[in-house]
Amino acid sequence: GEDVEQSLFLSVREGDSSVINCTYTDSSSTYLYWYKQEPGAGLQLLTYIFSNMDMKQDQRLTVLLNKKDKHLSLRIADTQTGDSAIYFCAEIDNAGNNRKLIWGLGTSLAVNP
Amino acid sequence: GAVVSQHPSWVICKSGTSVKIECRSLDFQATTMFWYRQFPKQSLMLMATSNEGSKATYEQGVEKDKFLINHASLTLSTLTVTSAHPEDSSFYICSASSLAGLQGSYEQYFGPGTRLTVT
Repeated sequence: GEDVEQSLFLSVREGDSSVINCTYTDSSSTYLYWYKQEPGAGLQLLTYIFSNMDMKQDQRLTVLLNKKDKHLSLRIADTQTGDSAIYFCAEIDNAGNNRKLIWGLGTSLAVNP
Repeated sequence: GAVVSQHPSWVICKSGTSVKIECRSLDFQATTMFWYRQFPKQSLMLMATSNEGSKATYEQGVEKDKFLINHASLTLSTLTVTSAHPEDSSFYICSASSLAGLQGSYEQYFGPGTRLTVT
């Protein structure tokens, strides 16, 4: 079945760039997503990328998609302490009657002052 | 952006009782709502998908008689944990999907979650 994998932890210094990586298996995914979860809270949609795009930039966030390698990354420029959270990568599963998201395990980002 | 609310945000109940959690889409109509369960420091586990006016589709291993889902309207879905036991203690999160998001994308918007503790 479909699978999404992420590294579990990332630690960076405040002001540095963070790069969170994700690999997926379903080459037919039309959309790939990045969600952010702060402690004790629900998930916030950060950004998404359509499968025919290689890159998408939104302020401090840059998403890169390598369809050949089925690799997705999220770069956060000038990382701040408020960026400390768990970041989930997800791909869309179009099979079946209901579209649903297939989730990675999440990458816990720690930003050190 | 689209807002999804959940109520209650946290609940403590005794073993054997039932608990109902509400999920509402506040500013859009959600044709599909999803219920997730999340254990500490773990990823989301999809429990079921519900479409308005029809029966929910449960993921493998999820007991439909224990986790009752009702999706009565385009803005409200409820999850009832029946005869709750301590092992049901978890963080339950709902999400609602919009078919007509930006550039026609498919997006899920999440509620803030409900922390259930069964004593």
